[in-house]
Amino acid sequence: KNEVEQSPQNLTAQEGEFITINCSYSVGISALHWLQQHPGGGIVSLFMLSSGKKKHGRLIATINIQEKHSSLHITASHPRDSAVYICAARAGGTSYGKLTFGQGTILTVHP
Amino acid sequence: DTAVSQTPKYLVTQMGNDKSIKCEQNLGHDTMYWYKQDSKKFLKIMFSYNNKELIINETVPNRFSPKSPDKAHLNLHINSLELGDSAVYFCASSLGGSSQPQHFGDGTRLSIL
Repeated sequence: KNEVEQSPQNLTAQEGEFITINCSYSVGISALHWLQQHPGGGIVSLFMLSSGKKKHGRLIATINIQEKHSSLHITASHPRDSAVYICAARAGGTSYGKLTFGQGTILTVHP
Repeated sequence: DTAVSQTPKYLVTQMGNDKSIKCEQNLGHDTMYWYKQDSKKFLKIMFSYNNKELIINETVPNRFSPKSPDKAHLNLHINSLELGDSAVYFCASSLGGSSQPQHFGDGTRLSIL
């Protein structure tokens, strides 16, 4: 079992729908990252959070440290949101920012 | 200006060859990383350097040797390439270790014939 588990692995939505991607982790962390990888292949960091909630435009990320769970929400989804979304747990302590990745969620938003 | 740049973007070569991938960042970061993304899009840390010093070295064949001539550069040299080395390799950088977001390069797609 992977230390970081994402669900669902594949997600298809219609434009305008509210989307939730979940991430559970079993390791102790200093922070949880959400990354976006577009079909072109580049990876962009969306959020880094260690508690509570962060919002950027239509994207919202939340984390519950006690439950070791994070969610990424997309409001009013758009076809340009189609991408692979990856959560990554950043180890704490002296592990110098080592990231352990989830398997990724492939999101397809249809017009 | 590209923040984290990798070269080449594509690398096609034959089994048994030796090749290098270069990474440079102009963000003033002190920590750099190499990640491997397999055919199922799963990412895994390979190496990390902080101020030119190796700090993370995962279970990677010793055919892979990272080199950091200065804190803005982290190159990856691979000897005796094997079919299983085919993957996309991403370089990333951050300021400090565990408290800052990482910035990724665009990746180098390595294909072994």
